[in-house]
Amino acid sequence: EAQVTQNPRYLITVTGKKLTVTCSQNMNHEYMSWYRQDPGLGLRQIYYSMNVEVTDKGDVPEGYKVSRKEKRNFPLILESPSPNQTSLYFCASSLTGGYATSPLHFGNGTRLTVT
Amino acid sequence: EDQVTQSPEALRLQEGESSSLNCSYTVSGLRGLFWYRQDPGKGPEFLFTLYSAGEEKEKERLKATLTKKESFLHITAPKPEDSATYLCAVQAIGTYKYIFGTGTRLKVLA
Repeated sequence: EAQVTQNPRYLITVTGKKLTVTCSQNMNHEYMSWYRQDPGLGLRQIYYSMNVEVTDKGDVPEGYKVSRKEKRNFPLILESPSPNQTSLYFCASSLTGGYATSPLHFGNGTRLTVT
Repeated sequence: EDQVTQSPEALRLQEGESSSLNCSYTVSGLRGLFWYRQDPGKGPEFLFTLYSAGEEKEKERLKATLTKKESFLHITAPKPEDSATYLCAVQAIGTYKYIFGTGTRLKVLA
């Protein structure tokens, strides 16, 4: 089944404890991206990757890191989480983010709570 | 600045009562406009892509239309299972970003 898989689905952590949220897609998509979703603010893009080894900042990149060493994986890293990073996170991928646009396919989300 | 605004924020309909959701956008050049459905606790599910003014797409009770400044999602004779949040997103020419609106929460009452 074609899908974007995120893990974990739920995560509770404490301020300053490094964490990684994994994301994997099995559709051979070039483009991958991370979003956070907050009430009243909608989906905001954190980072995106046009293809392997190429990443760029979205609208809210502060406090996050990403890497794209393989086409299928795009982990989100919080080096020192803070309470304002408590949110619902989505990973998404699309066939291409280049000149020919295509829709994003989303994972089921990771609900992160930082205390 | 590229921007997407959706209205209304919330909408309650009786089963069978048709209506429309609005997505107004401002981009320097539109590469594509997307509609998604999101159920509580789940990721957005892709519905339609529209590329140019005048284009229309249909799927069951849903029909999406596009003008140069806005898109409408028309819901004909909705059923309770159509209850969800509907999201609109755009991608501008020359960028790799997808910009989302804050969505319309639709509740269809039996």
